[in-house]
Amino acid sequence: AQTVTQSQPEMSVQEAETVTLSCTYDTSESDYYLFWYKQPPSRQMILVIRQEAYKQQNATENRFSVNFQKAAKSFSLKISDSQLGDAAMYFCAYRNYGQNFVFGPGTRLSVLP
Amino acid sequence: KAGVTQTPRYLIKTRGQQVTLSCSPISGHRSVSWYQQTPGQGLQFLFEYFSETQRNKGNFPGRFSGRQFSNSRSEMNVSTLELGDSALYLCASSLEGIETQYFGPGTRLLVL
Repeated sequence: AQTVTQSQPEMSVQEAETVTLSCTYDTSESDYYLFWYKQPPSRQMILVIRQEAYKQQNATENRFSVNFQKAAKSFSLKISDSQLGDAAMYFCAYRNYGQNFVFGPGTRLSVLP
Repeated sequence: KAGVTQTPRYLIKTRGQQVTLSCSPISGHRSVSWYQQTPGQGLQFLFEYFSETQRNKGNFPGRFSGRQFSNSRSEMNVSTLELGDSALYLCASSLEGIETQYFGPGTRLLVL
């Protein structure tokens, strides 16, 4: 069964600085999707970024980018120029065809003013 | 397009009762998934419905059931409620299932 691991339960970053959240996953599939979701205190899960495994280029969305290492099964999220509104729980997720989404345990990110 | 909506947003029940939660997906989305989120267990997958058929099921007891209607709206039912069922129940929709899931605001259930 696929598993997703986030080894950092909590992290903090100074406003305007850069932070990287780690995620590793276990799969024997070659085609799959990886996601980062953000859950702020309002509890609404919001998509941050998505990566298709067949794409070698790392996905980027404004201040958010990923470092996708397929061979190492690693999918880290980099947040640049951190803002107070980035404070949230971040979940890494995996999905392949025919399977349900598998979420990691989450990393709580605090942004310090 | 309107986002995923869930009703009710908050619910208080007592042990032994049953509850039905509703989810309306984004227009055009045919896949609806349900999750239970608790502080101790994190985000756990309950089931996924696609075109009125259950496509995937998580490891939950039979007290948890669901269904999907022809308009893709989905309901989730929990019978014989237990204290441990207190959680945030999230619904998510996607076009076919493999793509990005968009989440609703959740239903917070408290079982007393």
